[in-house]
Amino acid sequence: AQSVTQLDSHVSVSEGTPVLLRCNYSSSYSPSLFWYVQHPNKGLQLLLKYTSAATLVKGINGFEAEFKKSETSFHLTKPSAHMSDAAEYFCVVTPGNAGNNRKLIWGLGTSLAVNP
Amino acid sequence: DAMVIQNPRYQVTQFGKPVTLSCSQTLNHNVMYWYQQKSSQAPKLLFHYYDKDFNNEADTPDNFQSRRPNTSFCFLDIRSPGLGDAAMYLCATSGQGSNQPQHFGDGTRLSIL
Repeated sequence: AQSVTQLDSHVSVSEGTPVLLRCNYSSSYSPSLFWYVQHPNKGLQLLLKYTSAATLVKGINGFEAEFKKSETSFHLTKPSAHMSDAAEYFCVVTPGNAGNNRKLIWGLGTSLAVNP
Repeated sequence: DAMVIQNPRYQVTQFGKPVTLSCSQTLNHNVMYWYQQKSSQAPKLLFHYYDKDFNNEADTPDNFQSRRPNTSFCFLDIRSPGLGDAAMYLCATSGQGSNQPQHFGDGTRLSIL
């Protein structure tokens, strides 16, 4: 069975310092992985995706994530936090198996606070 | 810009009074999804359409129905809203591959009086 674990429910950083949001996954297949961001009262915006190409994936707004199969991890990082990065972040896995299974597997989310 | 548009952004209805939420897309994607998201939770898939094929999640209440009259539009009908149905409702679309990312609208926040 597939699952996603976001290791921190809340992360707080100071503006200008690095951001690390941790995600581990479990999958019997070769999954695709995504990070989404959600600002208050807004929909979800795709930050980046891994779909079995390069293991270091660059996304929007300076975010990147590295797929590490040996560690079953897909942690999200940013070198320098900005106040506008304060939001909820979701790590998401596709089932990865053949067929028409489209139900994404969602982490519980990490709330990122950025302090001035 | 190609996008997913949800109307209205905020909807208030009375307990038991039917309500319809709408979603349109300019991405020409085959697949459209409806999610329910409650406060501080991840989105929960209600159902999705692959073209005209409707796929209902096993735990979606019968109170929730959907229509997709054409590629661009999809509707969520809540026949008799209860207080527990107050939530953010998100529409998303994706291309036909099962590993394609989903593109979300800004959601409709539904309140029940």
